[in-house]
Amino acid sequence: AQSVTQLDSQVPVFEEAPVELRCNYSSSVSVYLFWYVQYPNQGLQLLLKYLSGSTLVKGINGFEAEFNKSQTSFHLRKPSVHISDTAEYFCAVSTSGGSYIPTFGRGTSLIVHP
Amino acid sequence: GAGVSQSPSNKVTEKGKDVELRCDPISGHTALYWYRQSLGQGLEFLIYFQGNSAPDKSGLPSDRFSAERTGGSVSTLTIQRTQQEDSAVYLCASSPRQGTYNEQFFGPGTRLTVL
Repeated sequence: AQSVTQLDSQVPVFEEAPVELRCNYSSSVSVYLFWYVQYPNQGLQLLLKYLSGSTLVKGINGFEAEFNKSQTSFHLRKPSVHISDTAEYFCAVSTSGGSYIPTFGRGTSLIVHP
Repeated sequence: GAGVSQSPSNKVTEKGKDVELRCDPISGHTALYWYRQSLGQGLEFLIYFQGNSAPDKSGLPSDRFSAERTGGSVSTLTIQRTQQEDSAVYLCASSPRQGTYNEQFFGPGTRLTVL
């Protein structure tokens, strides 16, 4: 079985500061990793995904994430955040053993202050 | 093209009533998923469809919950005899096909409030 832990339920940060949202996963088989963003009253939108290859993945809106197999982590980073980045961020993992149905973390609320 | 749509966007009902939630996936997407999102609880997987069949119903929380999909397109999630603990946002997602690592495309959700 696979699982995902998002270590921070809420991350406050000032505009133009860097941010890291943490995600750790557990799986006994190869994983596929995703970060989704949810703006208020909207559905989830894919930010980026890791399937294979380079461990540094770049996504939309200036976000990137690094897959670290030894630490079973897939942390999301942005060097300089904007007010518009205020949203809920979800990390998800899927595996062939789980029929590729993603397991989602509980989410991290990113709050960007002016 | 059009994304995933869900209706209604909001539903308020009284305890004990039945409700139907609708999902229109992206045209051509064969896989369809239902999730429940409760405050601070992340996304809880309910059920998925490959075409019109549902290989995995293990996520449905009770026998009051059922879902169907017709014509490989529209899906309906039905909750019978609603309870207050059913209050949540119900999200639908679709992807081109099941059994791969395709991303999921989400609808805006239906916010269900059971009084």
